[in-house]
Amino acid sequence: GIQVEQSPPDLILQEGANSTLRCNFSDSVNNLQWFHQNPWGQLINLFYIPSGTKQNGRLSATTVATERYSLLYISSSQTTDSGVYFCAVEPGGGGADGLTFGKGTHLIIQP
Amino acid sequence: DGGITQSPKYLFRKEGQNVTLSCEQNLNHDAMYWYRQDPGQGLRLIYYSQIVNDFQKGDIAEGYSVSREKKESFPLTVTSAQKNPTAFYLCASSRGSGNTIYFGEGSWLTVV
Repeated sequence: GIQVEQSPPDLILQEGANSTLRCNFSDSVNNLQWFHQNPWGQLINLFYIPSGTKQNGRLSATTVATERYSLLYISSSQTTDSGVYFCAVEPGGGGADGLTFGKGTHLIIQP
Repeated sequence: DGGITQSPKYLFRKEGQNVTLSCEQNLNHDAMYWYRQDPGQGLRLIYYSQIVNDFQKGDIAEGYSVSREKKESFPLTVTSAQKNPTAFYLCASSRGSGNTIYFGEGSWLTVV
């Protein structure tokens, strides 16, 4: 099956810093989503981005499908940005087979 | 409100007992999914259903069973055959392949 690798696995930053999270995947996809998991376990949709670039406030994401990677940018980090960020992909091929998740990046923003 | 509702949020089970987790969605989505998350890990797919009365095994289906008798409902039964059932379980739904997948708030299952 498709492989999803996220880097770095852990990231500790000071409030106000910028960060870049990376997601590499091993095959073509027809869905790529970024999630933020809060301390209560809820998965919050950040972006649906199988290709191209999107921005939402301090967050933006870029997926280069031909090179099989996606980047999530967080600017001017706040302590509330702490948590685990997951990249997940759905392989191309037509069936609604569900998302394959990476192991996540654990982000800690210190005040 | 539109969304995905999972219940119960917390559940304790004795070893050897089956337990059923509920998942209901009012988004009119065709596809529904069940995932398992272990501490410090990513999510793994248990079962998925692309349409009513049809479902397929995911990566870790052993010890689990599902049904899809109604479009809005996709219950998951954790059977006594599941060797290590303590985990966080998440239900999700989507309009189908290539569409955004939305998640419920999850159910914490602890075997005591």
